[in-house]
Amino acid sequence: RKEVEQDPGPFNVPEGATVAFNCTYSNSASQSFFWYRQDCRKEPKLLMSVYSSGNEDGRFTAQLNRASQYISLLIRDSKLSDSATYLCVVTLTGNQFYFGTGTSLTVIP
Amino acid sequence: DAGITQSPRHKVTETGTPVTLRCHQTENHRYMYWYRQDPGHGLRLIHYSYGVKDTDKGEVSDGYSVSRSKTEDFLLTLESATSSQTSVYFCAISGDLYEQYFGPGTRLTVT
Repeated sequence: RKEVEQDPGPFNVPEGATVAFNCTYSNSASQSFFWYRQDCRKEPKLLMSVYSSGNEDGRFTAQLNRASQYISLLIRDSKLSDSATYLCVVTLTGNQFYFGTGTSLTVIP
Repeated sequence: DAGITQSPRHKVTETGTPVTLRCHQTENHRYMYWYRQDPGHGLRLIHYSYGVKDTDKGEVSDGYSVSRSKTEDFLLTLESATSSQTSVYFCAISGDLYEQYFGPGTRLTVT
């Protein structure tokens, strides 16, 4: 069983739409959670950390549900520039990082 | 952007040859990591370093070795490249144990 699983999509949404991604993790001892964004043929870039209380950064909201072992990312008012692959990352101990395979998002004009 | 560079950015090599990839950082971060990224898999950790001359294996370390003789440099060596090592290799750095920043990647093709 994979440590982290994501729906690969693709998600194709119109500009201005709200879209949500989920990521499930298998180990209840997981400690830290992140969302990264990766553009085609580029390196992953940290989008936001995910805190137990949930956190928001502009149009992006991340939430953690420890009971059900998933994290989510909500993007409001989608822009063309949001088109990318979104990776969730879960850590166990300090150097055990597990990446999801990514969810592809295309925002359509 | 974090100061991380990788060299070479692209390389084609033949099966059985040794290959060394270099990661260089200007952030003075303690932790450095090597990952590979393949279709259908998330990024997978090959090796990491938690200080000069301190390294440890990751999830997919077979066939790879690393060295870190200076804080700023982390080298990944494929002793005898195989076609299964064709991949995109990313270096990452972290000032603490959790938030990582990635280099631009190296595309390696083993023919």
